[in-house]
Amino acid sequence: EPEVTQTPSHQVTQMGQEVILRCVPISNHLYFYWYRQILGQKVEFLVSFYNNEISEKSEIFDDQFSVERPDGSNFTLKIRSTKLEDSAMYFCASSRTGNYGYTFGSGTRLTVV
Amino acid sequence: AQSVTQLDSQVPVFEEAPVELRCNYSSSVSVYLFWYVQYPNQGLQLLLKYLSGSTLVKGINGFEAEFNKSQTSFHLRKPSVHISDTAEYFCAVSDPTGNQFYFGTGTSLTVIP
Repeated sequence: EPEVTQTPSHQVTQMGQEVILRCVPISNHLYFYWYRQILGQKVEFLVSFYNNEISEKSEIFDDQFSVERPDGSNFTLKIRSTKLEDSAMYFCASSRTGNYGYTFGSGTRLTVV
Repeated sequence: AQSVTQLDSQVPVFEEAPVELRCNYSSSVSVYLFWYVQYPNQGLQLLLKYLSGSTLVKGINGFEAEFNKSQTSFHLRKPSVHISDTAEYFCAVSDPTGNQFYFGTGTSLTVIP
């Protein structure tokens, strides 16, 4: 079964450093998303991306965050200057049609120290 | 806007007993409803979804859920649980555009041998 692949599975970074989380969505999917889950809390929407542009973003997705689809296969989330409160599990997801349930990746656990 | 309430944060249940995990939603528009499962240190896996049609939806691993529009509920059930069902279960709702999911806070199901 096709999978959404996320790398790395765990990343530790120092506060203030830039970090890039990488995702390879399912190949024929057109909609891409990032969600995050702070430990013990609910899964929160960050951003959706379609047709090479952001279609929707949450209040969490401030100027520190950016997304990019640099080639035909990767979808990245960049955090420019990480803060301690950015520590969370970040999930990438993709969908072919946008409304039939996403396929999530296994997540990247980001730890900011 | 949509929101989801999962009424039970933790549900312990003995092996082979039935279980129901409760989910209520609020929305001013028609919605799609989903249940996801998160096993320890893994990503989110789609269990089942309700888009339209029959209100009783069957998913993977023997789970089913019933959409009740009048009670705005989408409770998840399994007639006989196994140890391997121990996981975090998330109810989620999206509007028909599917551009954003709203997750509940999750229910931790622990199956006791």
